[in-house]
Amino acid sequence: EVQLVESGGGLVQPGGSLRLSCAASGFSFSKYGMSWVRQAPGKGLEWVSSITGSGGSTAYADSVKGRFTISRDNSKNTLYLQTNSLRAEDTAVYYCAKYLGTSETSYRTFDYWGQGTLVTVSS
Amino acid sequence: DIQMTQSPSSLSASVGDRVTITCRASQSISNYLNWYQQKPGKAPKLLIYGASSLQSGIPSRFSGSGSETDFTLTISSLQPEDFSTYYCQQTYSNPLTFGGGTKVEIK
Repeated sequence: EVQLVESGGGLVQPGGSLRLSCAASGFSFSKYGMSWVRQAPGKGLEWVSSITGSGGSTAYADSVKGRFTISRDNSKNTLYLQTNSLRAEDTAVYYCAKYLGTSETSYRTFDYWGQGTLVTVSS
Repeated sequence: DIQMTQSPSSLSASVGDRVTITCRASQSISNYLNWYQQKPGKAPKLLIYGASSLQSGIPSRFSGSGSETDFTLTISSLQPEDFSTYYCQQTYSNPLTFGGGTKVEIK
């Protein structure tokens, strides 16, 4: 059974940092791309960042570029999101999500999601 | 960036109704279009990928159609568990973008 379990969220002051983690199990982690998607309270879904299975290629939304860094440790089956210079508008539930596959329409399609971890940026 | 526009933003329907939600892309995205369902306090669930492929385990009352810029999610006979918010997502190019959501409520 595929499981994705996020951790690392919490309350942080503006300008602060947090490292989010996503522990994966039940699939060959290194074979799949992964992403972070966030959802501000009462709002819609916003893609944040993606990383390939090998970790060799990453992509970011403009809203977080230069402040957030996605990475993965395939030996630990864990995905990370280092969040720096946090702003009030970064307040959201952060979900990690697994790619469905590697074919054209399954790539960057999310078939499994974690339960989310809440990041609150406030003084 | 590719903008995804869903309509309506909300709708009221009864159990057994046929429901249609539309999603329009600001440029052609071929069939790189997914649909997700999200219930309050829960993570989204993949329903349809590649515009029309039903994800494993999803009931056949859900179907998707469309290509290029105009797409449709149809629920053929609305069930009590289908009252949720639905999002479309394009995977044609980064940044990946979602529609604003359609909330399906009980009439």
